[in-house]
Amino acid sequence: ETGVTQSPTHLIKTRGQQVTLRCSSQSGHNTVSWYQQALGQGPQFIFQYYREEENGRGNFPPRFSGLQFPNYSSELNVNALELDDSALYLCASSLGGTSGVDTQYFGPGTRLTVL
Amino acid sequence: DQQVKQNSPSLSVQEGRISILNCDYTNSMFDYFLWYKKYPAEGPTFLISISSIKDKNEDGRFTVFLNKSAKHLSLHIVPSQPGDSAVYFCAAKVLYAGGTSYGKLTFGQGTILTVHP
Repeated sequence: ETGVTQSPTHLIKTRGQQVTLRCSSQSGHNTVSWYQQALGQGPQFIFQYYREEENGRGNFPPRFSGLQFPNYSSELNVNALELDDSALYLCASSLGGTSGVDTQYFGPGTRLTVL
Repeated sequence: DQQVKQNSPSLSVQEGRISILNCDYTNSMFDYFLWYKKYPAEGPTFLISISSIKDKNEDGRFTVFLNKSAKHLSLHIVPSQPGDSAVYFCAAKVLYAGGTSYGKLTFGQGTILTVHP
């Protein structure tokens, strides 16, 4: 069983640029959630995709957007990068559905640095 | 507004002793709680969870206790091992929101556990 993978591992961008981060979900999982983890903080929920539709969003501006593909892999796009966007971006996949109890399994993350 | 709080940034224990990690929450709508462990350069790894209909859940060396009236949960690790040294995150969620599974996990800030040989 393949776990959650993310690419790239590290990324350096400058302020104002755009970035795309990628996530492959665990085999059999149809739900992907994205989190931002700033240094010394816990992960903060950005949004979740369930069967290619956005299924909930945290307190992040519209310049944070996402996609989920038919194979349930996902992308996180961030436009007009700001210095405060520097963080570890985590992707988590789960079985989803309506049971509510869907344990999320995390990838290793992408470390984004904005200069 | 920090809805899930881990007030101890770090904890140091001796190998073989008990580690107790604490977590408080303010949102009474939370009805499912999880603990994750995170090593450097890795994503959080799920450890154990508990539903609000229970007050205790056990899995091997790990036990989670939930006190709903105090809005407090704790993770006990017995016996502690050096390999348990990691950052531990408490997370909470509302199981049902709007009729579908809504996956938002709200995390605490984490507690760094160091287990000394």
